[in-house]
Amino acid sequence: GAGVSQSPSNKVTEKGKDVELRCDPISGHTALYWYRQSLGQGLEFLIYFQGNSAPDKSGLPSDRFSAERTGGSVSTLTIQRTQQEDSAVYLCASSLDQGHNSPLHFGNGTRLTVT
Amino acid sequence: GEDVEQSLFLSVREGDSSVINCTYTDSSSTYLYWYKQEPGAGLQLLTYIFSNMDMKQDQRLTVLLNKKDKHLSLRIADTQTGDSAIYFCAERRGYSTLTFGKGTMLLVSP
Repeated sequence: GAGVSQSPSNKVTEKGKDVELRCDPISGHTALYWYRQSLGQGLEFLIYFQGNSAPDKSGLPSDRFSAERTGGSVSTLTIQRTQQEDSAVYLCASSLDQGHNSPLHFGNGTRLTVT
Repeated sequence: GEDVEQSLFLSVREGDSSVINCTYTDSSSTYLYWYKQEPGAGLQLLTYIFSNMDMKQDQRLTVLLNKKDKHLSLRIADTQTGDSAIYFCAERRGYSTLTFGKGTMLLVSP
C-alpha cells in the first residue's frame, strides 16, 4: 500500500519568508511524527501527534515552528520567518499507534534550503 | 549522557561481514530499532528487537543486544554494494517517540 507521502520534495525559500511542509501518513496510522535531519546532526525530534491527544511539542526549536494535524490525518509543519539555520531535511513518520512495538514508517522528506 | 552513540563510518569489502555498533542510554528502553537510509530517501525500517531478547536473526541481518552494557549491534552477512547507506540505531523510551543516533555510514567496495 501507499507509504508516507511528503510534499514538496524540495523547497528553496528566501530568508524571512514562511514555508509550509505537508505530510500524508499511512492510512489508519494514528501517530504522526516530525523530525529534522541536518548535516552531521542526525535526526532531531520536533513534534508528535497521537490520535486526539494534545501534541508533544517538546522538540520544536523556537516559536517560529508550529504544526497541526487536521482530522487526524494530514499534517502541516509551518516555519515562519525562515532563517538559514532552518535549512535541513524535514522528515515525517507515522506509526499504527504509540505502542512500543509500532515502528515508525518514514516519508522521503522535504529538503528545505533557505537562501 | 542523553545521546545514542554510533561510530560515524565503516568501510568493508564486498562479501565480508559488517558490524555496526550502537550504545544507548535508557535501561528501561523497551524496543531498539535499526533503520537504513539511502541517498535522497527517507529512513527504511530494517529490523527491531524487544529488550527481553538477546539476539534476533532475519536473513542476512543479525541483531545482538547486551542490556547490561546497553550495547546493540547489527551484523550484515555477505555485505553487498547495495548495502552502502547510512544506518541509524534508535531507542524507544517508554511511550515516547524514538531517539536516534547520528548514523553510521557504511561504504562497501567491490
